[in-house]
Amino acid sequence: KAGVTQTPRYLIKTRGQQVTLSCSPISGHRSVSWYQQTPGQGLQFLFEYFSETQRNKGNFPGRFSGRQFSNSRSEMNVSTLELGDSALYLCASSSTGDTQYFGPGTRLTVL
Amino acid sequence: QKEVEQNSGPLSVPEGAIASLNCTYSDRGSQSFFWYRQYSGKSPELIMFIYSNGDKEDGRFTAQLNKASQYVSLLIRDSQPSDSATYLCAVVGKGFSGGYNKLIFGAGTRLAVHP
Repeated sequence: KAGVTQTPRYLIKTRGQQVTLSCSPISGHRSVSWYQQTPGQGLQFLFEYFSETQRNKGNFPGRFSGRQFSNSRSEMNVSTLELGDSALYLCASSSTGDTQYFGPGTRLTVL
Repeated sequence: QKEVEQNSGPLSVPEGAIASLNCTYSDRGSQSFFWYRQYSGKSPELIMFIYSNGDKEDGRFTAQLNKASQYVSLLIRDSQPSDSATYLCAVVGKGFSGGYNKLIFGAGTRLAVHP
């Protein structure tokens, strides 16, 4: 089976812009989780979608949003970018939500 | 109290030694536990999962679970410089709906294996 794919792999934006990141899970997986990782901060959980419904949510401001489509592909959107949003954004897929497999990540730089 | 706690390290061990990585969790109802390895600049990679009390071995890796003490550990035998990475412990905890469906990560322990 193909692994989790994320696009784009690298992105440079300026403050105030918005960005959309995409994640395609492993075939058959219905759960997609998103994480933010910055140096020294570890994995910060953003949200999880399961069968097109947001099932879990972390403590991030409303500027961070997501959705999941009927084919389980998921998108994450960040509006009004801030310098502190520069990070590696990771997506992970799972059949049930527990055993998660990570994609390669999208490295976002906000200037 | 953090839901999943790990010593941040770095844990420094000589090549060939046993590296012991520890993790504690707060929710006694948690039943599923995972270890991920993350190399610098890369995404986490699943290396072990364990559901039952006791030991589970896979090659040079052994995961140990003690639910009474709420403690999970990962042993790496014959440590190699290529094992140098951050090791993340993850526990399935309660999600928004109250069911156990949310994977909660510890902050990770950095392991350095020196020749």
